[in-house]
Amino acid sequence: NAGVMQNPRHLVRRRGQEARLRCSPVKGHSHVYWYRQLPEEGLKFMVYLQKENIIDESGMPKERFSAEFPKEGPSILRIQQVVRGDSAAYFCASSPYLQVYNEQFFGPGTRLTVL
Amino acid sequence: EDQVTQSPEALRLQEGESSSLNCSYTVSGLRGLFWYRQDPGKGPEFLFTLYSAGEEKEKERLKATLTKKESFLHITAPKPEDSATYLCAVQAGTGNQFYFGTGTSLTVIP
Repeated sequence: NAGVMQNPRHLVRRRGQEARLRCSPVKGHSHVYWYRQLPEEGLKFMVYLQKENIIDESGMPKERFSAEFPKEGPSILRIQQVVRGDSAAYFCASSPYLQVYNEQFFGPGTRLTVL
Repeated sequence: EDQVTQSPEALRLQEGESSSLNCSYTVSGLRGLFWYRQDPGKGPEFLFTLYSAGEEKEKERLKATLTKKESFLHITAPKPEDSATYLCAVQAGTGNQFYFGTGTSLTVIP
């Protein structure tokens, strides 16, 4: 998986708590995508970020979800007041260029379980 | 709405039995079609990118082809270690999104 790191790998939260998912892209990559994968469903695009800039958040729910990719440090996907329907695998992928004729490199994912 | 459909949903093959997986798409302005392999509990692993109809790419026992409406992933003489879910994704138009299919779960029986 070309060096994309995600943590934690597994996260358990109770309804109403906050979940923070972290993604460190491949060294030198400046673009990050976040996806959600529900059981028996395909990967669904959520958000596309460049360092310090959200390029496209059209796939992100309008409420409770936010993402950032600061100048220093990992990209963070934040889910506030989690509900059971948020239980899923969340994957991030990184790519080196804005012109994405290049493949994305995926991390191992964070599996979120909401009790 | 742009769509990516993969078939079959699941495929069981005997070791050495060649077959093909299909990815059909309905998008405007295809910029690239991508094939990934995903093992249980792991993230997708990149296999191929195809950009234009007629293009073909090969890697070991896998060969990907592209037409104007679909892509095939041909697997020749598969081995048990080829067992995985194979995902297809497209990028189209001026947007940044990659649209993924739901995958084909391949099981190769020794």
